[in-house]
Amino acid sequence: AQKVTQAQTEISVVEKEDVTLDCVYETRDTTYYLFWYKQPPSGELVFLIRRNSFDEQNEISGRYSWNFQKSTSSFNFTITASQVVDSAVYFCALSEPSSGGSYIPTFGRGTSLIVHP
Amino acid sequence: DGGITQSPKYLFRKEGQNVTLSCEQNLNHDAMYWYRQDPGQGLRLIYYSQIVNDFQKGDIAEGYSVSREKKESFPLTVTSAQKNPTAFYLCASSISRSSNYGYTFGSGTRLTVV
Repeated sequence: AQKVTQAQTEISVVEKEDVTLDCVYETRDTTYYLFWYKQPPSGELVFLIRRNSFDEQNEISGRYSWNFQKSTSSFNFTITASQVVDSAVYFCALSEPSSGGSYIPTFGRGTSLIVHP
Repeated sequence: DGGITQSPKYLFRKEGQNVTLSCEQNLNHDAMYWYRQDPGQGLRLIYYSQIVNDFQKGDIAEGYSVSREKKESFPLTVTSAQKNPTAFYLCASSISRSSNYGYTFGSGTRLTVV
């Protein structure tokens, strides 16, 4: 079973629409971290946000917002008024402690967002 | 500017050959990672290293080897034992083994078997 599930493989919207990317995770640890990364066509993953398991406050950064709900093990990402430059693959990741005490991130399969002009 | 440099950007390999992908960072990060990305598969962990001269297998280590002789460098060798090496390879680093401040990624190497 996947630890991080991004059920939406591809989403296509028209510019200025709002879009939500879903992320559901699975862990038995009480301490863990969640991330979102953006991968533009250039290939390099760009860090967007980090959230620890004890902080359920939602966060807004410009047109981006994140909704963390431990009750449903979800960490969804919303882009408001989407733009063509938002077109990319977005990855959700979970970082939990391994047996050696290290934190190793596990990534979802990604959601490809296409924003049409 | 600090960051991760991966080279080459594109690499072509003949069947049966070993090839080495370079990953260099000037961030003074202790931990480094190699991921493989295939369409629809997301990122899968190949190897990671938390300190110099130490590294651990990830989920798909078979057919790959690494070394960590210097803190700044974590090269990945794709051996002839890797039966399906065509993929996009990403190197990443983090401040330490217990760091959860995020991971910095390189721009990747696209390997194609010809």
